[in-house]
Amino acid sequence: GESVGLHLPTLSVQEGDNSIINCAYSNSASDYFIWYKQESGKGPQFIIDIRSNMDKRQGQRVTVLLNKTVKHLSLQIAATQPGDSAVYFCAENSGGSNYKLTFGKGTLLTVNP
Amino acid sequence: GAGVSQSPSNKVTEKGKDVELRCDPISGHTALYWYRQSLGQGLEFLIYFQGNSAPDKSGLPSDRFSAERTGGSVSTLTIQRTQQEDSAVYLCASSLAVGDYGYTFGSGTRLTVV
Repeated sequence: GESVGLHLPTLSVQEGDNSIINCAYSNSASDYFIWYKQESGKGPQFIIDIRSNMDKRQGQRVTVLLNKTVKHLSLQIAATQPGDSAVYFCAENSGGSNYKLTFGKGTLLTVNP
Repeated sequence: GAGVSQSPSNKVTEKGKDVELRCDPISGHTALYWYRQSLGQGLEFLIYFQGNSAPDKSGLPSDRFSAERTGGSVSTLTIQRTQQEDSAVYLCASSLAVGDYGYTFGSGTRLTVV
C-alpha cells in the first residue's frame, strides 16, 4: 500500500506462507506496470511486469494482478522464502511516456524463518 | 560490463561543495536513466538519455543539477553547491532502447551532505 511520511508499509510473514503486496497507482492513462525488488544496499531488480490489456500475469512463484477499475496492483509471492525479504516497489509508466517510470513508495517484506 | 556500475558507492560532502556521480551502463544499452531515492521513499525520475537525442531533463529538481552522457556510454550527474536536501541514493539504470522498461539498475551512490 501507500506509505505515510517516511514510514514504509511493512508486511511480516512466516517462511512458506504466501505474501500479497498491494499498490495503488495514480495515473489512469498508464498502460504498463512493473514490480521491483530492492535488497539492502542494492538497486531495484525487475521481478515481473504487466500491460493494461491483461488482469493477471504469472511468473516463477510470483503473480501480478491488475484492477484498472480501482487502479490497484498486487504482487503475490507463493511459498515465501527468507531470500524474498526486501522492499518491493510498484512502478507505472508515466501515462504517455515510453520510458519514464513513476514509482510507489515501497513495501518492506520481512520473512521470518 | 556485466551490469550497471556506479561510482563512488558512497560520498560524503560538505554543504556548498560540488559533486560528480558516475554511471557506466551495460554495453550496448542505448537508454540511460538517473533516479533519486530519498530515505523511505520511492524513486524519483531525474533525467533520461537515449542515443543522440536531446535528453529529457524534466525531473531535475533545480538548476544545480546537470548531467551529461559522453559518447553514448558513460554518464556523469553533477550537483553544484550541494544542500542537505540533496542527501539521497542516486540510482542509474540502463535499458536496450526506448520503450524497454526492463531497466537494469546499478547499486547507486549514497550521497550525504553535511
